[in-house]
Amino acid sequence: QSALTQPASVSGSPGQSITISCTGPSSDVGAYNYVSWYRQHPGKAPKLMIYDVSNRPSGVSNRFSGSKSGNTASLTISGLQAEDEADYYCSSYTSSSTFRVVFGGGTRLTVL
Amino acid sequence: EVQLVESGGGLIQPGGSLRLSCAASGLTVSRNYMSWVRQAPGKGLEWVSVIYSGGSTYYADSVKGRFTISGDNSKNTLYLQMNSLRAEDTAVYYCARVDYGDYLLDYWGQGTLVTVSS
Repeated sequence: QSALTQPASVSGSPGQSITISCTGPSSDVGAYNYVSWYRQHPGKAPKLMIYDVSNRPSGVSNRFSGSKSGNTASLTISGLQAEDEADYYCSSYTSSSTFRVVFGGGTRLTVL
Repeated sequence: EVQLVESGGGLIQPGGSLRLSCAASGLTVSRNYMSWVRQAPGKGLEWVSVIYSGGSTYYADSVKGRFTISGDNSKNTLYLQMNSLRAEDTAVYYCARVDYGDYLLDYWGQGTLVTVSS
C-alpha cells in the first residue's frame, strides 16, 4: 500500500511552534478520524503521541496537538524543546491494506 | 503497566533462519491483536505481520511464505519465525499491540536488530 505523504524534514527554534503535515487518500485520511502520530527518538521505539486525529494519550504533553482538514492531518508542537528533536510518523486507517493501518514516510524534526 | 521485550535478533547469513520473541507483561498476548513492524536502517516503519486474537494471521507480501507469526499462551510470548532470510530483511524488528478500535499501535517493544549479511 502507498504510504501517507509527510515532509522529509522540518525545523524550528526553541520556543517556536511547528506543524507537520500528513496527506493521504480521501478514502482513508479524509474519510475517517483514525489518524495517529508517533514520535521516535534515535535508537528508540516509536511512542504514540496523538490518536483519533486530536486526542492525547495519558502523559503526553499538551504542547502536542493534532488536527485534520480534508485529506491532510497535521501535528503541531508548540513551545519547541530540544527533547522534541526526533522522527515523527503519522498513520491512518486504510481499507486498502491487509493491516488496515498505513504509515507515513516519517518527518525528521530538528530543533535549531 | 504493559511491557513488551523482544529478543532473538542477531547477525545471520543470507538463507538462514532466526526466531524472534516478544515477552509480554501487563497484557495477554492471546487476547490482543499483536504485530511485528520493522524498520530498515534509515528508513520508515514497515508492517511485517499481525496475529488476531482469534488466531488469524496476515503477512506483508515481502515476507509471505518465509515468515510465521505465532503466540505461546503459557509463556505469554509472541514469536516471529523468519526463514530464508535476505539482505533486505535487515532491520530493527518491533513487536507492538494493535488497537483495531482506533486503528493505532499503542504499546511497542524496544526492538531487536536483525542483520542479514555474509
